[in-house]
Amino acid sequence: GAVVSQHPSWVICKSGTSVKIECRSLDFQATTMFWYRQFPKQSLMLMATSNEGSKATYEQGVEKDKFLINHASLTLSTLTVTSAHPEDSSFYICTAGPEYEQYFGPGTRLTVT
Amino acid sequence: GENVEQHPSTLSVQEGDSAVIKCTYSDSASNYFPWYKQELGKRPQLIIDIRSNVGEKKDQRIAVTLNKTAKHFSLHITETQPEDSAVYFCAASSGSSGDKLTFGTGTRLAVRP
Repeated sequence: GAVVSQHPSWVICKSGTSVKIECRSLDFQATTMFWYRQFPKQSLMLMATSNEGSKATYEQGVEKDKFLINHASLTLSTLTVTSAHPEDSSFYICTAGPEYEQYFGPGTRLTVT
Repeated sequence: GENVEQHPSTLSVQEGDSAVIKCTYSDSASNYFPWYKQELGKRPQLIIDIRSNVGEKKDQRIAVTLNKTAKHFSLHITETQPEDSAVYFCAASSGSSGDKLTFGTGTRLAVRP
């Protein structure tokens, strides 16, 4: 299958600071990538659709000014959690695929203290 | 939008027995139905998928069936092994390139040795 990488794999930050997470497609180009959040023992909740060259599409209830998404190239999308708070602590994971299949990045575990 | 329901939420089987997980979806436009396996602390891995022009697909001990009329699809694992223990997620999408997946709530499968 296609390879999707994500960086960092884990991060601890202080409340009020911002954190940037990168998602890369390594062996294919992706005009669309997806960002999910997964709380412990829960399912994957779609946060937003990252579109190369245009604005991201956010799901209902997701604050676009808090979760900034930039899809700067056909292989890179970034998610920035701004002014992070402890309730933002979660597992953030991206997906991308060369066609209709979606492959997951390894995820980023964010802990806000 | 699409809504995917998954049952059961937990499933415990004896090693060697079969396991069946069922999902229903709401959007008749959905045409692509993947299944993912997520082990603790790891990313979900695509294990099998099916498109709506096919009623059944099999890959060794894993099979997926689709009833498009009834809008439900199922994952069947035969001859279960302890390493099959994980959380399984079903998902649905339109099947178009770059379309988002809607996930079920997950099934925690435990295979007792």
